[in-house]
Amino acid sequence: QLVVTQSPSASASLGASVKLTCTLSSGHSSYAVAWHQQQPEKGPRFLMKLNSDGSHIKGDGIPDRFSGSSSGAERYLTISSLQSEDEADYYCQTWGTGLVFGAGTRVTVL
Amino acid sequence: QVYLVESGGGVVQPGGSLKLSCTASGFIFGYYGLHWVRQAPGKGLEWVAFIWYDGSMTYYVDSVKGRFTVSRDNPKNTLYLQMNNLRPDDTAVYYCAKDPDLYSNDWSYFDSWGQGTLVAVSS
Repeated sequence: QLVVTQSPSASASLGASVKLTCTLSSGHSSYAVAWHQQQPEKGPRFLMKLNSDGSHIKGDGIPDRFSGSSSGAERYLTISSLQSEDEADYYCQTWGTGLVFGAGTRVTVL
Repeated sequence: QVYLVESGGGVVQPGGSLKLSCTASGFIFGYYGLHWVRQAPGKGLEWVAFIWYDGSMTYYVDSVKGRFTVSRDNPKNTLYLQMNNLRPDDTAVYYCAKDPDLYSNDWSYFDSWGQGTLVAVSS
């Protein structure tokens, strides 16, 4: 069964970096994922599509501070130079026989 | 710039019906598949339905099969979600979202989102 797992929360100081992890279920380590950001009281925003080889396609206007990488079944989203507006929920999403979201990681900027 | 604007949400009693609309601009509407995704209060995102670029095929999450119908009017650049026999657990913000692949007959991810419309099912 296709499942993606995310840690529920992460935090880092203003100006620092944070690395979020999305883990694909067994047998799905070659799957691409998409990362989406949802700021409080707003609709989601597409950040990037991230392939298993680490290559990625960003959404329009997404700052260079947002980057992606992959290792095995794990897909990472790194946010560098954290800004206050980066405080949000971040969802990992993949697709196959269905479309699946992770439960999301809430990022707090300290 | 892609714009997706949902409308039609509101409060409805259990067993009632509601029809959502999503009006699009900024891209060639008839070239892309479209999705509905929902988010219950305080919860995560859940994919609900997908329709091919030409409307010829539709897909649904199991929990809404037989109750919800997704459709589109390409000349009007509008996506719809007809929701019948609504239940309290259908209460959510409903988002329309665009699939990125041209003329695709498969789903992938969501490269543009609307701002959502709230559906509340309560007596």
